Amino acid sequence: EVQLLESGGGLVQPGGSLRLSCVGSGFSFSNYGISWVRQAPGEGLEWVATINDNGANKHYADSVKGRFAISRDNSQNTLFLQMNSLRAEDTAVYYCTRDVGISAWYDYWGQGTLVTVSS
Amino acid sequence: DPVMTQTPLSSRVTLGQPASISCRSSQSLVHSNGNTYLSWLHQRPGQPPRLLIYEISNRFSGVPDRFSGSGAGTDFTLRISRVEAEDVGIYYCMQASHFPRTFGQGTKLEVK
Repeated sequence: EVQLLESGGGLVQPGGSLRLSCVGSGFSFSNYGISWVRQAPGEGLEWVATINDNGANKHYADSVKGRFAISRDNSQNTLFLQMNSLRAEDTAVYYCTRDVGISAWYDYWGQGTLVTVSS
Repeated sequence: DPVMTQTPLSSRVTLGQPASISCRSSQSLVHSNGNTYLSWLHQRPGQPPRLLIYEISNRFSGVPDRFSGSGAGTDFTLRISRVEAEDVGIYYCMQASHFPRTFGQGTKLEVK
């Protein structure tokens, strides 16, 4: 069974940092791109970042470019999102997703981890 | 950036009746490889989204055949042939033909 499990969320002050993790199981992690998608409370879905299967190609939303960094450790089946210079508007549930093909669609989603940026 | 516009934003449908959601993109979603990466997702309250349809009209594993997708270019539609109680929630279209990936605003479906 394909599973994605996020962790690392929590309460952080504006300007602070947080690192999210996503562990994949039930599939060959190193063969898939992975993305982060976030959802602010009561709002819709917003794509954040995507990394390809070997970590060589990364893409970011303009809203996080220069502040967030996506990376992966295929030996540990783990995806990371390093979030720096956090703002109140980054408050959201962060989901990791398994990407199919050229990140053409997201077939499995984790349960999400909540990040709250507040003083 | 492709802007995805869904209509309606909310819908109340009688159990057993059909439902339809439209998704329009501000630019063509035909990828340079000739494919069109338009998918539909369903999110129940308190749950993560789950994939229903990919590449316009392909049902994901385990998705009931009452769900169908159609369209081309910039105009796409999700149809539910006979709405069931478990279909409540929010439906999103999403394009992955271009970066940044973008989602529609979501359509809230209620069943009466």
